[in-house]
Amino acid sequence: EVHLLESGGGVLQPGESLRLSCVASGFAFSNYAMSWVRQAPGKGLEWVAHISSGGGSTYYADSVKGRVSISRNNFGDTLNFEIYSLRAEDTATYYCAVFSVGFDHWGQGIPVIVSS
Amino acid sequence: DIQMTQSPSSLSASAGDRVTITCRASQDIGNYLAWYQQKPGKVPELLIFAASTLQTGVPSRFSGSGSGTDFTLTIASLQPEDVATYYCQKYDSAPYTFGQGTKLEIK
Repeated sequence: EVHLLESGGGVLQPGESLRLSCVASGFAFSNYAMSWVRQAPGKGLEWVAHISSGGGSTYYADSVKGRVSISRNNFGDTLNFEIYSLRAEDTATYYCAVFSVGFDHWGQGIPVIVSS
Repeated sequence: DIQMTQSPSSLSASAGDRVTITCRASQDIGNYLAWYQQKPGKVPELLIFAASTLQTGVPSRFSGSGSGTDFTLTIASLQPEDVATYYCQKYDSAPYTFGQGTKLEIK
């Protein structure tokens, strides 16, 4: 069974940095591209970052480009996401998701609150 | 970038009704279109991929159609457990944009 477990969220102040992790199990992690999707409170889904199966290609939403970095460790079956210079509008639940035909598996999500 | 526009943004229907949600892409995306269901307080789940292929385990009352720029999600006979917000998403290439969502309620 596919399992994705996010960690690293919490309450942070504007300007701080954050590192989220997603540990994968139950599938061949290194064979699949992965993404991060976020959802602000009461709002819709927003795709924010994507990384190819081998890690050589990355893509970012314009809303976060230049402030975030996605990476992966295929030996440890872990997906990472760093957000720098946090803003109030980064407040959201962040999901890691497996990409194949769309996102067919999602983690439970990890809340990030940016507040002074 | 390609924009994804869903309509309506909200919808109220009676149990047993046929319900249709539309999604329009601002450019041709072929059939690289997925639909997701997100029940209140839950994680999104993939319903349909390749515009019309049901994900394993999805009830057959759900169906998808379309290609190019215009797509539809249809629920043949609405059930109480279908109360959720539904999202379309393009996945041909990044950015993997979602539609704004359609909130479906039962009358």
